[in-house]
Amino acid sequence: AQSVTQLGSHVSVSEGALVLLRCNYSSSVPPYLFWYVQYPNQGLQLLLKYTTGATLVKGINGFEAEFKKSETSFHLTKPSAHMSDAAEYFCAVTRNSGYSTLTFGKGTMLLVSP
Amino acid sequence: NAGVTQTPKFRILKIGQSMTLQCTQDMNHNYMYWYRQDPGMGLKLIYYSVGAGITDKGEVPNGYNVSRSTTEDFPLRLELAAPSQTSVYFCASSYSMGQGAGEQFFGPGTRLTVL
Repeated sequence: AQSVTQLGSHVSVSEGALVLLRCNYSSSVPPYLFWYVQYPNQGLQLLLKYTTGATLVKGINGFEAEFKKSETSFHLTKPSAHMSDAAEYFCAVTRNSGYSTLTFGKGTMLLVSP
Repeated sequence: NAGVTQTPKFRILKIGQSMTLQCTQDMNHNYMYWYRQDPGMGLKLIYYSVGAGITDKGEVPNGYNVSRSTTEDFPLRLELAAPSQTSVYFCASSYSMGQGAGEQFFGPGTRLTVL
């Protein structure tokens, strides 16, 4: 079984500040990990994903995440927040073998103030 | 390339009514999914399909039915609507599942209220 825990349902930052959204996962087999973003009244779109290889993954809009197996974490970061980053962010996990569906975390709402 | 389209965008149902949420994708993806999203709860998988004619239950299938007669279409049927089915419903599709996991592409959602 897989699960995802996102720490903090809301995170507030000032424009230009570091963004850090936390995600911890549980998986009995090596995972594939994803971050999705949802803007108001829209569907989800992929920010970045980790499958195999390099543990530091770069995504769209300046976001990146690092897979740390020892910490079972996949935290999302961005060096400098922009107002347009305000959205809800979802971490998700799936197995890297066989057929497996995505399991999503409960989401973290990022609020960016001027 | 429209991606994943969903209709309707909004709907209000009375308790006990039925309706079908439509989902179509034009990316020739074999895998399609239905999720519901409730505030603070993330996305829960209702049903998924690995190809035409093949469907399987997800985490929260009760009260819903699906069919997959073509690669493109994956309608979700609500029978005897209940207030607990008030939610935002998302359809998604992907090239693969699990191994070789591909990105899931999401539709814009259907906001359903059951009164």
